[in-house]
Amino acid sequence: GQNIDQPTEMTATEGAIVQINCTYQTSGFNGLFWYQQHAGEAPTFLSYNVLDGLEEKGRFSSFLSRSKGYSYLLLKELQMKDSASYLCAVITNQAGTALIFGKGTTLSVSS
Amino acid sequence: DAGVTQSPTHLIKTRGQQVTLRCSPKSGHDTVSWYQQALGQGPQFIFQYYEEEERQRGNFPDRFSGHQFPNYSSELNVNALLLGDSALYLCASSGRRLYGYTFGSGTRLTVV
Repeated sequence: GQNIDQPTEMTATEGAIVQINCTYQTSGFNGLFWYQQHAGEAPTFLSYNVLDGLEEKGRFSSFLSRSKGYSYLLLKELQMKDSASYLCAVITNQAGTALIFGKGTTLSVSS
Repeated sequence: DAGVTQSPTHLIKTRGQQVTLRCSPKSGHDTVSWYQQALGQGPQFIFQYYEEEERQRGNFPDRFSGHQFPNYSSELNVNALLLGDSALYLCASSGRRLYGYTFGSGTRLTVV
């Protein structure tokens, strides 16, 4: 079966750096997404990793290790508006184009 | 450019009733996927429609059905509602860019 694990909650302060981890156990792995979801709003795309390594996009970076079944999302220079749920999702050969989501990590940023 | 539009935003139904949720995809997108997100959980894939046909289906009972219209908009129907069907229902559209999903803000369904 497919299994995706993320921490349930994390807290951090403004200006700090936070790393949200995601581990997955799937067969036929094809790629990994990170989405941000504010309460009551649509998930918005942050990153997509298919090859090992780090992808940087402004304050957000995402890392993937396929051999370890591991990814992280790194948020730098945290702002209050970064308080949200962060969803890790994978795509696999078996699931086709369907996204398989983890339960999400709720990040709270305080001043 | 409008993104994905879902209606209604909120809905309260009674157990055993039927419900229809609607989704208009982003301009230029022709594929619509539906997800169920229970409180405190990640979204779960229900099914995907392309060219007016169900192309892929997740692990949901036959009570969940859908339709896609020639203008690419889509409906999700749920029959014989259960309390456990209470959730946020998200629609995601995509086009030629593989995995280029755009999500709507969802319909919050409460079954009482």
